[in-house]
Amino acid sequence: DAGVIQSPRHEVTEMGQEVTLRCKPISGHDYLFWYRQTMMRGLELLIYFNNNVPIDDSGMPEDRFSAKMPNASFSTLKIQPSEPRDSAVYFCASSLAAPALGAEAFFGQGTRLTVV
Amino acid sequence: KNQVEQSPQSLIILEGKNCTLQCNYTVSPFSNLRWYKQDTGRGPVSLTIMTFSENTKSNGRYTATLDADTKQSSLHITASQLSDSASYICVVSGNTGNQFYFGTGTSLTVIP
Repeated sequence: DAGVIQSPRHEVTEMGQEVTLRCKPISGHDYLFWYRQTMMRGLELLIYFNNNVPIDDSGMPEDRFSAKMPNASFSTLKIQPSEPRDSAVYFCASSLAAPALGAEAFFGQGTRLTVV
Repeated sequence: KNQVEQSPQSLIILEGKNCTLQCNYTVSPFSNLRWYKQDTGRGPVSLTIMTFSENTKSNGRYTATLDADTKQSSLHITASQLSDSASYICVVSGNTGNQFYFGTGTSLTVIP
């Protein structure tokens, strides 16, 4: 397996535009996580899915953010409208089982988003 | 409040030397603690995962310890190499749901 695949690797957009980040988890992994990483706040969990169902979205900063997982092999994180403070690196990760049980999470390479 | 604090924030060591990174947490109830290595421009990669009953776990030159009573963990790197230069992140999971609590990381630089 090629690991968790994210696209694009870099995204530069103007404030107010819609941004869609994409993630393909490792095949067979039941959990998918979206994280955001900034210098100031470090890594933050935004939302996670179990078997394509959103379980906890309490980390999603506001209504401008939305995430979907239409099937087991694809997820999107959308920001509409984007703002400069959304600039960060967004990571997707997947795991075979529940992290509370000690399952290892595998991260993608991340998408570096810059909103100007 | 559930928190994870790491120290030092940054560290510079000479190649070949040993170093120890610290992680203190207040997460309760506790499920497991992970150490991740994150190279610049890449996603984090898991080094170790420890549960409540484990005191130490090794992965090559990396050795993690856990004291669940004092809620402290350390990551010891032996005979450091230039490739060890990275950010090391401590992540604690509670056993209610699947919440993660992240430290802000220690930035390690190994110089020749």
